[in-house]
Formats: sequence, structure tokens, C-alpha cells
Amino acid sequence: SAVISQKPSRDICQRGTSLTIQCQVDSQVTMMFWYRQQPGQSLTLIATANQGSEATYESGFVIDKFPISRPNLTFSTLTVSNMSPEDSSIYLCSVEDPESGRTYNEQFFGPGTRLTVL
Amino acid sequence: GDSVTQMEGPVTLSEEAFLTINCTYTATGYPSLFWYVQYPGEGLQLLLKATKADDKGSNKGFEATYRKETTSFHLEKGSVQVSDSAVYFCALSANFGNEKLTFGTGTRLTIIP
Repeated sequence: SAVISQKPSRDICQRGTSLTIQCQVDSQVTMMFWYRQQPGQSLTLIATANQGSEATYESGFVIDKFPISRPNLTFSTLTVSNMSPEDSSIYLCSVEDPESGRTYNEQFFGPGTRLTVL
Repeated sequence: GDSVTQMEGPVTLSEEAFLTINCTYTATGYPSLFWYVQYPGEGLQLLLKATKADDKGSNKGFEATYRKETTSFHLEKGSVQVSDSAVYFCALSANFGNEKLTFGTGTRLTIIP
């Protein structure tokens, strides 16, 4: 298993500003994922972040809006840029299980960052 | 593309009732299937999983069987408790070296004492 922490746990931001969310894992993992959970909705993958390479973004998400860093095997950041009220969501990071490997595709999730944009 | 269709909620049951939450999927190949649970105020947790056809995942009294012929992975529990109140998400991973999860819409379950 993996223990994941996120900072901040919640924030209230003004329109037009940016917020950087941090994700820290207690084990070294190759892949980290960033998801968005809009109010009352399911989780949608924003991007996959592998250490040492550019993040891979899903359809509908772009790097200019959601830049991601992955400086090492235990840490990643997601920035929500030029925010609007539509960006109000819970943002979650997740990681593969460092023990089960790719075969099972099991993921462990952080507690999430609840973002409200006014 | 891959997709997961999940039973609409919310679902309200009395304690000790039988629970079924339906989940069907569309995917090429042989995906892995998961049920994740989100308890009030907590993060998402893996409840159970199955990685090939006819596998049965089980945990905390919950079960789900990977049915390839019906492309289904329905969640069941014989006797629910108040502590089972949560949002349940069905998900799949395509097993093509791309580890991303595709989630269903989630089903909010409330158990009444």
C-alpha cells in the first residue's frame, strides 16, 4: 500500500488567481495521477505524471491550465491556473500500488484538496 | 472508448437489508475491475477488485463477480450496516500498460437504522 498526503486540504480562492496543490507519497512510485471530482460528480482523470517526462493530459485538459511537476518519485504538484468558479472541485492525486505492480492497476488515493473559487 | 455505467442513486436501505449496486462496462480486451468507496469526509478507498473473468472480489462482506459474458461487476452485500453508508464507485482499468482508471458516476448509499 501507499500513504498519500495532499496540501492544502482545502482553499477558497479568488477568480483569476492560481493554486498549487502538493502530493507526497511515502513510497517511490513510477506513476502518479491527478483527478478532478466536481460537486456531485464522478472522478475524471486530468493527467498522468511520470517522473522525468512530461505529463500526459486527457482530452479536455491542457498544460497551460493545469501545469504539473514531477521532480522525483515521491512528489508531484498540480497547479490550477487562472481559476474560475467552474474550477471548484475536489482535486485528488493517486498512485499505483508500489507492491502489486502494473498487473493489477490498483491505485491509492490521497485525501483530496477541496477548492472553492469565488 | 472505455466506459462504466453504474446504477443511479441515491439508494436508501434499512439495516440488514440485501444490497445490490449494478455496474456494467464497455472496454476492449480484458480490463481489471474495481469497486472504490468514499466514506463521508474521507478519501477514496479500494473496496475490492477482480482482474480476470469469473474472479470474485470480496472485502468487508461485499462481493462482486467479474462477468465477461454480461460485461458486469455488480456489488452485493447480504446484510448492510449503518457504517456502510458511503458513495460507491465502479471503475475499470484497460490493462494495456495505461494505468488510468475510468470511473462510473458513483452511487450514494444511505443505511437507516
